[in-house]
Amino acid sequence: SYELTQPPSVSVSPGQTARITCSGDALPKKYAHWYQQKSGQAPVLVIYEDTKRPSGIPERISGSSSGTRATLTISGAQVEDEADYYCYSTDSSGNQGVFGGGTKLTVL
Amino acid sequence: EVQLVESGGVVVQPGGSLRLSCAASGFTFDDYTMHWVRQAPGKGLEWVSLIIWDSGSTYYADSVKGRFTTSRDNSKNSLYLQMNSLRTDDTALYYCAKDRGASRDYVDHWGQGTLVTVSS
Repeated sequence: SYELTQPPSVSVSPGQTARITCSGDALPKKYAHWYQQKSGQAPVLVIYEDTKRPSGIPERISGSSSGTRATLTISGAQVEDEADYYCYSTDSSGNQGVFGGGTKLTVL
Repeated sequence: EVQLVESGGVVVQPGGSLRLSCAASGFTFDDYTMHWVRQAPGKGLEWVSLIIWDSGSTYYADSVKGRFTTSRDNSKNSLYLQMNSLRTDDTALYYCAKDRGASRDYVDHWGQGTLVTVSS
């Protein structure tokens, strides 16, 4: 079955730029979407269709995609950005959704 | 405001069955595809299933195909997940989630989840 690969953890100091990658063979043809999940809470959509930001999401959070890799970038990361981040896409048929394994972002 | 409220999570023995429900409000339910997503304790998100707005098509993860059935009742603004032949690795928080549209795009709103524990 189709898989999306993320690094298990990323760590940055406050004010630095955090980059979280998501790799998948179908990403050249399928959008990547990103979710933030803070401890004990339901996930929240932070980026959709590779690069778009829902209303209410800070401008420091952005997305990009090139070839088989999508990237979530948090510029000037803040302590409040500490969370697990998941990419989501579908297989090439579009019939099955798939989440990446998740990346724990630590800001300290 | 979109609201999704799951119910039905309990402790069940391996091999047993369970039906989860999700009550939706704050949007026109029959205009949207709906998803189930689960999260095992301490683990990541796993997409489980989706159902198109008119119940015309349903899709499942390989891990649940043949055991789980997703349905919806648009007259009651409700989504269901029938879970049969439950296994210990089905233990998870099950989220009901709304798609951004009528097709198979992505989840834009989530419920708070209902906990299913499969244990003897």
